[in-house]
Parts: sequence; structure tokens; C-alpha cells
Amino acid sequence: GAGVSQSPSNKVTEKGKDVELRCDPISGHTALYWYRQSLGQGLEFLIYFQGNSAPDKSGLPSDRFSAERTGGSVSTLTIQRTQQEDSAVYLCASSRRTPNGYTFGSGTRLTVV
Amino acid sequence: ELKVEQNPLFLSMQEGKNYTIYCNYSTTSDRLYWYRQDPGKSLESLFVLLSNGAVKQEGRLMASLDTKARLSTLHITAAVHDLSATYFCAVYRLNTSGSRLTFGEGTQLTVNP
Repeated sequence: GAGVSQSPSNKVTEKGKDVELRCDPISGHTALYWYRQSLGQGLEFLIYFQGNSAPDKSGLPSDRFSAERTGGSVSTLTIQRTQQEDSAVYLCASSRRTPNGYTFGSGTRLTVV
Repeated sequence: ELKVEQNPLFLSMQEGKNYTIYCNYSTTSDRLYWYRQDPGKSLESLFVLLSNGAVKQEGRLMASLDTKARLSTLHITAAVHDLSATYFCAVYRLNTSGSRLTFGEGTQLTVNP
């Protein structure tokens, strides 16, 4: 596609439920990133995928968070047993291997009630 | 650990005035990005600065990079209301785990008529 596509755009879930967030990067972009932005805050790195290499998961805040990238394209971020502190906007970005820029999606606004 | 600090965090200015936003970072990098974020929106890429001494200009915005001082600036000339947004700098690092952008806290700019 022309841009990075994320779905859903908004998600309200009950505390304790699992959620899945999807990111469809720009075609041909080998690198994919997940970031989290809490209200009024900067962006917090979560995870990075580059081609077929092992992902850099060092930013995931707990073992309730996991992500996968199938076929080097679409990525899914899963949060298990959601907590209220997980409420944030989750942003996905993609880039070429030698990036002159990262393109961000519109984000998924997650609200845990 | 790479730390990226922006100042000021909040900036209120009148139309027609000039101002500079500063971005300091703690470890070596030769690549820095500036992004703009409007309320409720995703991040829009403004500038990519790829080397020491790089200067880029687009309209009323000009960005520069001094890798020796670990400092980037975003200068606003003759501000207009449409520039009201939050501006983020992001520093690129490549390590054994891969690459990532580390973001500053953001500068919330309000341009008053």
C-alpha cells in the first residue's frame, strides 16, 4: 500500500482481556517497528523486526507483550491480560534497510477499562 | 543508554516571531530525524539529517545537526498559526540488536495570532 496501515484505529477492552493490534507496512520496507505513546508523552520503543533476522524485543515492557511478523510483512502486537497502564497509542513504523526516513502509521488507540 | 532531551517542552509564541527548539543527545550518532505530530494524529517526517553540519530547510522551518556537540536545532522563522503542533527529534542508533530511533519528549508549540 501507499502507507503504513494499522488496525483497529481504536480499541476499548476490559482489564484482563487479550488484544491484538495489526500493522501492514509499506511494500518493500524490510524494517518494522512498534512504539508506544502514552498521553502527553514521547514515544517508547517496543520491538524491531528486520527482514528474517531475530527481532529486537528489548523494549517490550513485560512478558504479557509479544509480537510477530509473518512472511516479512504484516505484524501483530499481542497484549495478554491487559492492564489499565497499557492504555496508550500504539504506533507502527516501517523503513527500508538503509533508511532515509521512517513512515509511521496512524496508530491504534488502546483504552483498558 | 541513549538519552534524548528536548527543550523547551512547551513553547507559546506569537505569529511573526522566531524561535529555536533544541535537541541534545547523550551518545554518538550521525543520523537525526525531526517529526511533527498534530493532536490525535500520527507522526509526519520533517527532516532527516545524515551528517555533521547538515542543514535542511523547508518553508519556515530549518534544522541543523552538530554531531560533535551532540546537538540538533529546529529553527522557526516568522511563525504562523499552522505551525502549532508537537515536534519530536529522534536519534538513530545501530547496535548489535539492530537499529532504532530514540525520541525526545517532544516540544508542544502553540503559535498565537
